[in-house]
Amino acid sequence: DGGITQSPKYLFRKEGQNVTLSCEQNLNHDAMYWYRQDPGQGLRLIYYSQIVNDFQKGDIAEGYSVSREKKESFPLTVTSAQKNPTAFYLCASSKGQGNNQPQHFGDGTRLSIL
Amino acid sequence: AQRVTQPEKLLSVFKGAPVELKCNYSYSGSPELFWYVQYSRQRLQLLLRHISRESIKGFTADLNKGETSFHLKKPFAQEEDSAMYYCAIRGGANNLFFGTGTRLTVIP
Repeated sequence: DGGITQSPKYLFRKEGQNVTLSCEQNLNHDAMYWYRQDPGQGLRLIYYSQIVNDFQKGDIAEGYSVSREKKESFPLTVTSAQKNPTAFYLCASSKGQGNNQPQHFGDGTRLSIL
Repeated sequence: AQRVTQPEKLLSVFKGAPVELKCNYSYSGSPELFWYVQYSRQRLQLLLRHISRESIKGFTADLNKGETSFHLKKPFAQEEDSAMYYCAIRGGANNLFFGTGTRLTVIP
């Protein structure tokens, strides 16, 4: 499908370790987003970035960190401070602000903490 | 603050029957609403948006500001419509706030 690529598809880590989830897009989109999907809770916004070298906290940013050094990349680090990291993580991108700018989603990464 | 409510976690209908997936919202400004769909083994994708007033795959959704609703409707459900459906509202900075989703199952 192309567009937005998330890797890996499955990730296992021990408690106390930081893990980084990759998100790359070749759509030339300015904005990128990270969501967390839990059963029965829909998608919740973790972080978003409207432009390179800038990012903002979403609703549930605690225990996570991001960087946006390149337009096409928006990696998410799940730190040891995140108390319940086991979840499905979705990355998305859009052309930016303004009307009629839908978000395009990746396939997701399922993170499990052993 | 923005909020989206999808009251039904699960919805089952028979093939050929009408289907309506409910979505209610709260938002202080002028809302932009979307329906996203996730078919089995596929990524989440945009189905339709209220601003376009379009019909996609036979689905329509009308924004009712009086009732603060954006229900998704289709007159005759098909088996391929079985999927997870999310209603979403756009907040500031192009952020989306999602409902908890409704899993639609169309029974043959």
